[in-house]
Amino acid sequence: AQKITQTQPGMFVQEKEAVTLDCTYDTSDQSYGLFWYKQPSSGEMIFLIYQGSYDEQNATEGRYSLNFQKARKSANLVISASQLGDSAMYFCAMREGDAGGTSYGKLTFGQGTILTVHP
Amino acid sequence: NAGVTQTPKFQVLKTGQSMTLQCAQDMNHEYMSWYRQDPGMGLRLIHYSVGAGITDQGEVPNGYNVSRSTTEDFPLRLLSAAPSQTSVYFCASRRGQGREQETQYFGPGTRLLVL
Repeated sequence: AQKITQTQPGMFVQEKEAVTLDCTYDTSDQSYGLFWYKQPSSGEMIFLIYQGSYDEQNATEGRYSLNFQKARKSANLVISASQLGDSAMYFCAMREGDAGGTSYGKLTFGQGTILTVHP
Repeated sequence: NAGVTQTPKFQVLKTGQSMTLQCAQDMNHEYMSWYRQDPGMGLRLIHYSVGAGITDQGEVPNGYNVSRSTTEDFPLRLLSAAPSQTSVYFCASRRGQGREQETQYFGPGTRLLVL
C-alpha cells in the first residue's frame, strides 16, 4: 500500500484564489511528521510547512496552511491567494517513527501534484 | 550560509563507469541523506547518515556506496553506472529531532544520464 497518496496529478487555480492540494497517508506509528515541499521548474526542493502528529493545531506558514485531520489520515495543503509564482510541483512527505538517534526517521514522498496558476 | 551544495549539476556517464556525487553542508547538521527522483515516483531514499562515521541503507541502496568522514560532507559513489541509475539526485540535511530541527533541507540536485 502507498504510504503517501496524492490523488491529484494536476490542479489548476485562478490567480488570487485559494487551492487545496490533497494528501493522505498510511502509518501505524503514533509519532510521525508531515511535510510539504514545492519543486518549481528550476528543480530545487523548497520546504513549505511541517505538522507533527501530536500537534493539536493546524500548521500555518504565511499563505500556506496544513489541514490536518488525524482520524482521516489526511494532511491537505491549502494555499491562499494564489500567485503566478506558485505554479510548481508539490510533494507531500511523511517521516515515520523516531526522528532522532540512529532511527533517522525516513522520509517517504508522494508522487506529487502539479499546480498551475492562471492569470 | 551556502546551505546544502551539490556538484556536479549535470553528468553524463557510460555504462560501467564509476563516479562520485559530492554533497556538502555548512549548517553543522548531523543528519544527511541521498534521494533519487524519477518521473512519476517522487523521491526515494538511497542512503542516510546520522552522524560522522555512521551510515545506513535506505529504500533503494543497490549500486551506491556512501561514507561520512566529516559532519560537512556526504559523497555518493556509483560503483558501476547502469542506465537504470539515470535520475536526478538530491542530497538533504537536517539538524536533528524535534519540531524545529527535523525539517530536511535539500541541495539543488545533480542530473545524471547514463548511456
